[in-house]
Amino acid sequence: DTAVSQTPKYLVTQMGNDKSIKCEQNLGHDTMYWYKQDSKKFLKIMFSYNNKELIINETVPNRFSPKSPDKAHLNLHINSLELGDSAVYFCASSQEKRGSYEQYFGPGTRLTVT
Amino acid sequence: GIQVEQSPPDLILQEGANSTLRCNFSDSVNNLQWFHQNPWGQLINLFYIPSGTKQNGRLSATTVATERYSLLYISSSQTTDSGVYFCAVRPGGGADGLTFGKGTHLIIQP
Repeated sequence: DTAVSQTPKYLVTQMGNDKSIKCEQNLGHDTMYWYKQDSKKFLKIMFSYNNKELIINETVPNRFSPKSPDKAHLNLHINSLELGDSAVYFCASSQEKRGSYEQYFGPGTRLTVT
Repeated sequence: GIQVEQSPPDLILQEGANSTLRCNFSDSVNNLQWFHQNPWGQLINLFYIPSGTKQNGRLSATTVATERYSLLYISSSQTTDSGVYFCAVRPGGGADGLTFGKGTHLIIQP
């Protein structure tokens, strides 16, 4: 009964491929996020998604696109993978409407591009 | 955007010691969270503390929102406390993500 889950946990792929990472939350939250942690451990927001409103960090290449089939899922699609995309990707969720903005993080997906 | 500075960047202590980690931020916030990233890479929520003081076992945290800083206290350190401690904040409302500091890398030696 994990609150925020991600699949796969590890992903190894070659440059130029297209891949997806899935995220699911069972907390009934209305907002979901994707973060990227680089090799120096720095964590940075990529996307926020709330009731069809998408907020994109302007530094994220348009090869990255979030897709939300429903409120409990926010998947991350990456096209034409590059070596620099290697990182750990974390999904998170929060319930904005209740006034507590605490975010809950998934276990992360380690992406390696060769 | 909002700036988050954590100090110290690195800290090495003996088991049983106490420590204080600091987080300074440059604007008012509606969310401040402390996380522990363990050696396996998991991000563990420690505290959601945009203001006030909270305690959880050997850990406690205080945020003085008017002065734009937060402190994380770890008492009687154990080797399992090793890892990176992150402070993360969010200004205002909306669906913006958290802005993370660079973290404090803590090593507890037996």
